[in-house]
Amino acid sequence: SAVISQKPSRDICQRGTSLTIQCQVDSQVTMMFWYRQQPGQSLTLIATANQGSEATYESGFVIDKFPISRPNLTFSTLTVSNMSPEDSSIYLCSAGTAKYEQFFGPGTRLTVL
Amino acid sequence: AQRVTQPEKLLSVFKGAPVELKCNYSYSGSPELFWYVQYSRQRLQLLLRHISRESIKGFTADLNKGETSFHLKKPFAQEEDSAMYYCALSGRSGAGSYQLTFGKGTKLSVIP
Repeated sequence: SAVISQKPSRDICQRGTSLTIQCQVDSQVTMMFWYRQQPGQSLTLIATANQGSEATYESGFVIDKFPISRPNLTFSTLTVSNMSPEDSSIYLCSAGTAKYEQFFGPGTRLTVL
Repeated sequence: AQRVTQPEKLLSVFKGAPVELKCNYSYSGSPELFWYVQYSRQRLQLLLRHISRESIKGFTADLNKGETSFHLKKPFAQEEDSAMYYCALSGRSGAGSYQLTFGKGTKLSVIP
């Protein structure tokens, strides 16, 4: 298993600013993922964070808006850039595999005014 | 494209009554299905996976390929079962890697 922590747990931001969310895993993992959960909606995969290379983004998500870093096997960041109220969501980090089990962080609740 | 449908947003049952949380999927390949659960103030966690054919906390789920369903069942609901339940499907994304596609979730409320 893996224990995942995220920082910050919540934030309120102004339109046009950027926020970086940190995700730390307590053990080395191959796969790390970032999800978004908009109010009343399900979890949507934003991207797979790849160690040492560019993240793999899903349809509808682009690197300019959601730059992701993964400098090592235990840490990743997601930046939400040039925020608008539509970016208000819970952002979740996970680690593991889609085929077996993913372990989720507690989430970051973002409100954009 | 892969899709997971959970038709009920909210399901309320009395303690001791049977529970069935519905999940239907759409996927062109051979699916791998999961149920994840989120208890109040806790993080999302795996409840069970179809490949294991296991019973966790009294819950079971059978993959029915003919009906493309993976309903979650428990014969006697307990108050501690109250939570948000998400059905998820593992399949290849457009980028070629495996990804989890989640349903919108069903909130189970067990009435004492």
